[in-house]
Amino acid sequence: AQSVTQLDSQVPVFEEAPVELRCNYSSSVSVYLFWYVQYPNQGLQLLLKYLSGSTLVKGINGFEAEFNKSQTSFHLRKPSVHISDTAEYFCAVSDNNAGNMLTFGGGTRLMVKP
Amino acid sequence: EPEVTQTPSHQVTQMGQEVILRCVPISNHLYFYWYRQILGQKVEFLVSFYNNEISEKSEIFDDQFSVERPDGSNFTLKIRSTKLEDSAMYFCASSEGPKGNQPQHFGDGTRLSIL
Repeated sequence: AQSVTQLDSQVPVFEEAPVELRCNYSSSVSVYLFWYVQYPNQGLQLLLKYLSGSTLVKGINGFEAEFNKSQTSFHLRKPSVHISDTAEYFCAVSDNNAGNMLTFGGGTRLMVKP
Repeated sequence: EPEVTQTPSHQVTQMGQEVILRCVPISNHLYFYWYRQILGQKVEFLVSFYNNEISEKSEIFDDQFSVERPDGSNFTLKIRSTKLEDSAMYFCASSEGPKGNQPQHFGDGTRLSIL
């Protein structure tokens, strides 16, 4: 069985500061990793994905994430955040054995302050 | 950019009543999913659907739930006799194929409130 842990339920940060949202996963097989963002009153939007190849992946809105197999982590980073980045961020994992079922972490609420 | 659309955005229903949540997946996608998120909890997988059959379902997806693709565009989730604990946000998603490396695209969700 897979599981995803997002260690921080809330991350407050000032505008233009860097941010890292942490994600750790556990799985007995190779996985695919995703970050989704949920803006207020909206659905889940795919931010970026790791499928294979380069462990550093870039997504929309200036976000990037690095897959670290030895640490089973997939932390999300942005060098300079904007007020508009305020949202809930979800890390998720799937594999080819799970019927494409996504397993989600509990989410991290990023709060960008002016 | 094509998107998944869900209706209604908010549904209020009396306990014990049947409810149908509707979704229009992205047109060239072949795999469809339902997830739910109870307030303050994780997003949880309910069911995946392909070629008019359920591919996978979770323990949550018991006999009171059913899914259907009644025509070429809609994908529905029916809850036969709603309970208070069914109150949640329900998300529909679709993907091009079944493999884990084919990302799922989500709709904006239907907030279901059971009174």
